[in-house]
Amino acid sequence: NAGVMQNPRHLVRRRGQEARLRCSPMKGHSHVYWYRQLPEEGLKFMVYLQKENIIDESGMPKERFSAEFPKEGPSILRIQQVVRGDSAAYFCASSPRAGVGDTQYFGPGTRLTVL
Amino acid sequence: AQSVTQLDSQVPVFEEAPVELRCNYSSSVSVYLFWYVQYPNQGLQLLLKYLSGSTLVKGINGFEAEFNKSQTSFHLRKPSVHISDTAEYFCAVSGGSSASKIIFGSGTRLSIRP
Repeated sequence: NAGVMQNPRHLVRRRGQEARLRCSPMKGHSHVYWYRQLPEEGLKFMVYLQKENIIDESGMPKERFSAEFPKEGPSILRIQQVVRGDSAAYFCASSPRAGVGDTQYFGPGTRLTVL
Repeated sequence: AQSVTQLDSQVPVFEEAPVELRCNYSSSVSVYLFWYVQYPNQGLQLLLKYLSGSTLVKGINGFEAEFNKSQTSFHLRKPSVHISDTAEYFCAVSGGSSASKIIFGSGTRLSIRP
């Protein structure tokens, strides 16, 4: 059973471009979470999605950021018009259920660098 | 609101020495507590978690943690560390209004000296 997969692992964008980060959850997992890790900081929750639904986006910046988890295919975190402050590691996690205390399994992350 | 405080940003220890990484949390509701490890340029791996029951939780790689409700702590310990334990360790909490999301501490960097 493959783990959570994220691609690309490294992404370089110039200011103003768009960044698309992909996450394929573990087989059988229908719950996906996105976290952002700024340099020298812990992970901060961004958004929680189930198939075709956004359940909790309380950690998402109000502008330029969006996320989706379509019926088919990976979850996508999209950042429009990137700025230098978006440079960070973005981690995706998945779980088979959304029960409190259920383990979330993390992917290797996508490291975004904005020039 | 829930929060997690990791009191030490860096902990250097000698190989084969014991180590304790400190974690305190604050919450007005029942919580579930986790320790994750992050090796360089990798994702997070769950070390252990406390949901209920015995306050002493054993995890992978010889780590254990003790839940102390009165002191609102969940310190991580290992009796003898190895070079391969060099990593960043994150304490985290979930539960209550943030049932589905995990709130992470800022991390403790454990460096092992030979």
